[in-house]
Amino acid sequence: AQSVTQPDIHITVSEGASLELRCNYSYGATPYLFWYVQSPGQGLQLLLKYFSGDTLVQGIKGFEAEFKRSQSSFNLRKPSVHWSDAAEYFCALLARDSNYQLIWGAGTKLIIKP
Amino acid sequence: DARVTQTPRHKVTEMGQEVTMRCQPILGHNTVFWYRQTMMQGLELLAYFRNRAPLDDSGMPKDRFSAEMPDATLATLKIQPSEPRDSAVYFCASGLEANTEAFFGQGTRLTVV
Repeated sequence: AQSVTQPDIHITVSEGASLELRCNYSYGATPYLFWYVQSPGQGLQLLLKYFSGDTLVQGIKGFEAEFKRSQSSFNLRKPSVHWSDAAEYFCALLARDSNYQLIWGAGTKLIIKP
Repeated sequence: DARVTQTPRHKVTEMGQEVTMRCQPILGHNTVFWYRQTMMQGLELLAYFRNRAPLDDSGMPKDRFSAEMPDATLATLKIQPSEPRDSAVYFCASGLEANTEAFFGQGTRLTVV
C-alpha cells in the first residue's frame, strides 16, 4: 500500500538550533517525493522535491532533504532554524501508478522557542 | 509571477445555502486538485482533474458536492446545500503531468453557520 508517515505531530526547537523532520514512505517503485510548508493562514508552498539523481536535495529557505532508499525515508533538515520557520510541514509522495495522485503525510507542526 | 488564484478567500454562509468556490489554475497547467483541510482530518483530496476531465472524485460527498472545469482557466467546487460540517479551508492546486509538483492557491476559508 502507498503511504506517507510523519511520525512527529509537533516538534519544538530553539531558534538557532538544527532541525530534522522525519518522513517515511511506502511505495513499490522509486518514489517522487516532496516537502511542502504551510504558514498559518496560507496555502502550501513547495520547499523541495526528489525525482532522481543526487539523494541530497537542496530547497528554498535553507532546507535540504536526503532520500534514503534503504530506510524508505526522506527527512527534512535545516542547520539553524529561524522564528519565521514556525509552520506546518508536509511530506508527500507522487503515486505515478495511481493517476499521479499525491499521497500526503499528516504533517508536522514546528514550534520555535525564542 | 504565475500563481493559482482562488476566490473568494473567505465565505460565511448559512446552512442550506449554495456555495461556489472558484479556482484559476496556472496557465498551461493541465492538472487541477481540490483539497479540503480541517484540524481533525488534515488534507483530504476531494477531486482531481487532468485535461479538464475528472480522474478521481471519490473523496467528495456526491450528494452535495460537485466539481467542474468549464474551461482550462476555471475550476469550480460547489456545495449545495451547505452544512456546518463543511466548514473548512478548501485549497485548489494545479500542476503539469510530467513535472507534477503541485502549486497551491491561498485557499477559501468556508464557515457554514
